[in-house]
Amino acid sequence: DIVMTQTPLSLSVTPGQPASISCKSSRSLLNSDGKTYLYWYLQKPGQPPQLLIYEVSNRFSGVPDRFSGSGSGTDFTLKISRVEAEDVGVYYCMQSMQFRSFGQGTKLEIK
Amino acid sequence: EVQLVESGGGLIQPGGSLRLSCAVSGFTVSGSYMSWVRQAPGMGLEWVSVISSGGTTYYADSVKGRFTISRDTSKNTVYLQMNSLRAEDTAVYYCARYAWFGGQGTLVTVSS
Repeated sequence: DIVMTQTPLSLSVTPGQPASISCKSSRSLLNSDGKTYLYWYLQKPGQPPQLLIYEVSNRFSGVPDRFSGSGSGTDFTLKISRVEAEDVGVYYCMQSMQFRSFGQGTKLEIK
Repeated sequence: EVQLVESGGGLIQPGGSLRLSCAVSGFTVSGSYMSWVRQAPGMGLEWVSVISSGGTTYYADSVKGRFTISRDTSKNTVYLQMNSLRAEDTAVYYCARYAWFGGQGTLVTVSS
């Protein structure tokens, strides 16, 4: 099974400042089709996870451009260029290279 | 418009059975990978099961042998049959199309 490890597990950020979350997988997420099956989600309280980034770096429809994803192989990063109040919640990475598995989640709070 | 609506949750005693439904519109379940993901109270997301567009099914070790994923193409609905339920199966259950969660989930509570 592929294990996903996120760091940090919590983050407190001043509005307007950047934020970064790391996600490491226990094996490469690069598939033979050339795609890398790594996704990022934000879950706000009482809501389902909302897809932010698919296949490492592609923003989903309607996602603000302050969110960006990068990485390759086993190391991935989600960056928020300027945090806003509406960005609070728990961020998850997910792989679908082999079945699916999620990171533990990173809770983002506003200072 | 693409929509997913989960239903079928409720309170069930340990050892009991429940069938969850995920009714979709705007696409066909037969042409998509459909997954079930759950979230226990206050916890993170846990993948449960997936059915491929070709009909192949996969399960997390925690539910293998107890849960069965299936689909009815005439109703454009995906199901999760859950048997031998345990307290640790208590969670909100979400269905997803590929990586997209479109519904609010359905709560399953296993308790005596």
